[in-house]
Amino acid sequence: KAGVTQTPRYLIKTRGQQVTLSCSPISGHRSVSWYQQTPGQGLQFLFEYFSETQRNKGNFPGRFSGRQFSNSRSEMNVSTLELGDSALYLCASSPTPRGDNEQFFGPGTRLTVL
Amino acid sequence: GENVEQHPSTLSVQEGDSAVIKCTYSDSASNYFPWYKQELGKRPQLIIDIRSNVGEKKDQRIAVTLNKTAKHFSLHITETQPEDSAVYFCAASKAGNNRLSFGKGNQVVVIP
Repeated sequence: KAGVTQTPRYLIKTRGQQVTLSCSPISGHRSVSWYQQTPGQGLQFLFEYFSETQRNKGNFPGRFSGRQFSNSRSEMNVSTLELGDSALYLCASSPTPRGDNEQFFGPGTRLTVL
Repeated sequence: GENVEQHPSTLSVQEGDSAVIKCTYSDSASNYFPWYKQELGKRPQLIIDIRSNVGEKKDQRIAVTLNKTAKHFSLHITETQPEDSAVYFCAASKAGNNRLSFGKGNQVVVIP
């Protein structure tokens, strides 16, 4: 099976712009979660989607949003970018949202905000 | 929400020695505890996990122990090798959702 894929791998934006990141889960996986990774804060949960519904949201401002499509692919959007949004954005997929099964991470999208 | 703390932040060991990383968690409802290894520039990869109904789990040179009463769990790596050098993250989640709360990570350096 192909692993989790994310596009694009690298992105450079300027403050005030918006960005959309994409995640394709492992075939058959219906749960997709997103995480932000920074040197200072580590890995922080953004949101989780299952069956096109957001089930959980982390402590991030409303500028961060996401969605999931019927084929389980997911996108996240960040509007009005700030310098502090520079980070590695990782998505992870899992067969179910049970909470006790392995989550498989994608390679991440490295976002740089100038 | 859940708070996961990880110690020490950096650990240097001689090749062949053992490495131990400890994590504590705050939410007694957490019942799943995975450990991820992240090499430089790579994605986090699960190396071992444990559920709250088990006290210990072992997979070759890697083991994890869980103490629910004290709310801490530990990763044990025996006979360390240079390829074990990486950042290790512990995490916790509750039943019914995949929201992982991660520790800040430990840099493990295995000295040949």
